[in-house]
Amino acid sequence: DAGVIQSPRHEVTEMGQEVTLRCKPISGHDYLFWYRQTMMRGLELLIYFNNNVPIDDSGMPEDRFSAKMPNASFSTLKIQPSEPRDSAVYFCASSDLTGNTEAFFGQGTRLTVV
Amino acid sequence: GQQVMQIPQYQHVQEGEDFTTYCNSSTTLSNIQWYKQRPGGHPVFLIQLVKSGEVKKQKRLTFQFGEAKKNSSLHITATQTTDVGTYFCLPPSGGGNKLTFGTGTQLKVEL
Repeated sequence: DAGVIQSPRHEVTEMGQEVTLRCKPISGHDYLFWYRQTMMRGLELLIYFNNNVPIDDSGMPEDRFSAKMPNASFSTLKIQPSEPRDSAVYFCASSDLTGNTEAFFGQGTRLTVV
Repeated sequence: GQQVMQIPQYQHVQEGEDFTTYCNSSTTLSNIQWYKQRPGGHPVFLIQLVKSGEVKKQKRLTFQFGEAKKNSSLHITATQTTDVGTYFCLPPSGGGNKLTFGTGTQLKVEL
């Protein structure tokens, strides 16, 4: 397996534009997590899915953020409209059993909103 | 998910010095994991501790789980520049099945 795959690796967009980040988890993993990392806040959990179902989205900062997982091999995190304060590195991670096995992270998407 | 306090937040050491980071919880943990994130990289799993008083070693890294399973530590002997990065401890997910990371300890190693 190639690991967790995220795209794009870098994204620069103008304020107000829609941004879509993509993630392909490791095949067979039941859990998928979206994180945001900034210098100020560190690594924040935004939302996680179990078997494609969103379980907890309490970390999603505002209604401008939405996440979907239409099938076991694909998830998206969308920001609409984007704002400069959304600039961060967004990580996707997957695991097969939270708390008992390791989580595998993607390379991340560095988002810059200008 | 459960939260733990990780200290220190930052540590600068000279190459060759030892380094230790600690995770402390007010509640008993069933297990704890450690991750390392290199600058510009992504978190990578290092180890999981499960048993009370457990000690595991990976070359110059020594991981400990307290007897009461409320704290854990990572000790690096004779640091090298390759040890630079942020080290996170990750408590078990708890009832929400979250994977919530703490602030981590950022280690800088100077020549």
